[in-house]
Amino acid sequence: GAVVSQHPSRVICKSGTSVKIECRSLDFQATTMFWYRQFPKQSLMLMATSNEGSKATYEQGVEKDKFLINHASLTLSTLTVTSAHPEDSSFYICSARLGADEKLFFGSGTQLSVL
Amino acid sequence: GESVGLHLPTLSVQEGDNSIINCAYSNSASDYFIWYKQESGKGPQFIIDIRSNMDKRQGQRVTVLLNKTVKHLSLQIAATQPGDSAVYFCADSLWTDKLIFGTGTRLQVFP
Repeated sequence: GAVVSQHPSRVICKSGTSVKIECRSLDFQATTMFWYRQFPKQSLMLMATSNEGSKATYEQGVEKDKFLINHASLTLSTLTVTSAHPEDSSFYICSARLGADEKLFFGSGTQLSVL
Repeated sequence: GESVGLHLPTLSVQEGDNSIINCAYSNSASDYFIWYKQESGKGPQFIIDIRSNMDKRQGQRVTVLLNKTVKHLSLQIAATQPGDSAVYFCADSLWTDKLIFGTGTRLQVFP
C-alpha cells in the first residue's frame, strides 16, 4: 500500500513551547490529509482535514489557533502544537488518501509528551 | 463509528481459534466501512473494507460482514495467530468524507 511518513515519532518538550509534526506521502500525491489524536486506550479522534493550498477544516471543539495545520504541497502537511501544555500530551497520527481510493493510509504516529 | 468510552473491550482467544470482533456504527447513511489494526505505539494498518452495497467481503484469513439493518459490522479472523494481537478499530464514512472511528477492541491471543 501507499506509504505515509510521519516525523518525529516521539517528542518531549517543555510547557509553553511549540512543536511541529510533519506528515509526508512518500509515493503518491495527497490533496487531502487528516490529523487524528489518540489518548491511551481510546479511539482515534479526528482533529482536522488538511487541504492542499487552502485552509484546514477543523472538527468541533478543536482550537485552530492551538493546532496550526499547513498543507503547502501535495506531499507534505504539518501540524504545529502551539504553546503546548501537559494536557496536549497525546499520540498524534496523520493519514492520507491515495487518489479516489477511500481508505486512509496512516503515518506511524507521534507521541507528544509535554512536561 | 461510535467513538466513546475510556475502556477498551477485550477479546481473548486461543491460538488457532477463530475471532469475531463486533462494531456498531451510528450513521445509517454511511456507505463505506473499514477495519484497521493498531499495534502499540504505531499507526493504524488497513485490514479490509466493504461498501454498503455488499454484506460480506473476504480477504486473506479475514472476513467482514455488514448488517445495515441493525448498523452492525463484524470482523472475522480465521485461525488466529499471536501476530494478530492488537487493537482493532472499525471506521465508517459517507461519500469519501472523513473516516470516523469506533471505540476499538483489544484482541489477545494466547497459546
